[in-house]
Amino acid sequence: DTAVSQTPKYLVTQMGNDKSIKCEQNLGHDTMYWYKQDSKKFLKIMFSYNNKELIINETVPNRFSPKSPDKAHLNLHINSLELGDSAVYFCASSPAQVSGANVLTFGAGSRLTVL
Amino acid sequence: AQSVAQPEDQVNVAEGNPLTVKCTYSVSGNPYLFWYVQYPNRGLQFLLKYITGDNLVKGSYGFEAEFNKSQTSFHLKKPSALVSDSALYFCAVRRGGNDYKLSFGAGTTVTVRA
Repeated sequence: DTAVSQTPKYLVTQMGNDKSIKCEQNLGHDTMYWYKQDSKKFLKIMFSYNNKELIINETVPNRFSPKSPDKAHLNLHINSLELGDSAVYFCASSPAQVSGANVLTFGAGSRLTVL
Repeated sequence: AQSVAQPEDQVNVAEGNPLTVKCTYSVSGNPYLFWYVQYPNRGLQFLLKYITGDNLVKGSYGFEAEFNKSQTSFHLKKPSALVSDSALYFCAVRRGGNDYKLSFGAGTTVTVRA
């Protein structure tokens, strides 16, 4: 069983388009995250939700909008795509945030290419 | 603010030799430290963590890491590397307590040659 699943795995689109990436976890975790990995493999946190509440919102263009319909799902919608948005986007989840010692479980990533 | 530095972009070792991947951190208060590994075209996988207690932490696949508070380091080690250990390794830090934010280093690519 896949613990954290992301769709689509690959996404190729034109500049200016709007696209969404979906994430679902079946681990019963309360906290979910979106990370962006650039071409140099650097990982940067974008957003985090704890039980549907936004708790981390890093300096990300407002073209990026996360949405958590329930604690098992965290979707990422991107408007007006730009070349610089090309990256691998990772979804992750962790147990209820009662301790900073919690381990993140990552999805396999969604590779976005903007042409 | 919290940050992690991995001073080596790449580490190359021969199979059977010891492997060390370096990591230093900066965080206010007590740190929670983690190592993750990423195989090609895969998500990150957890290897080990230091929260408190014994400075030597043992994790998956024979890896271990030593927390050194005075040097603010958390180097990853394996006594005898395997070709299958070739991957991208990330060190990460979170401020102690209920801080949600986990900050990653830039990653170190490990290549183990047969």
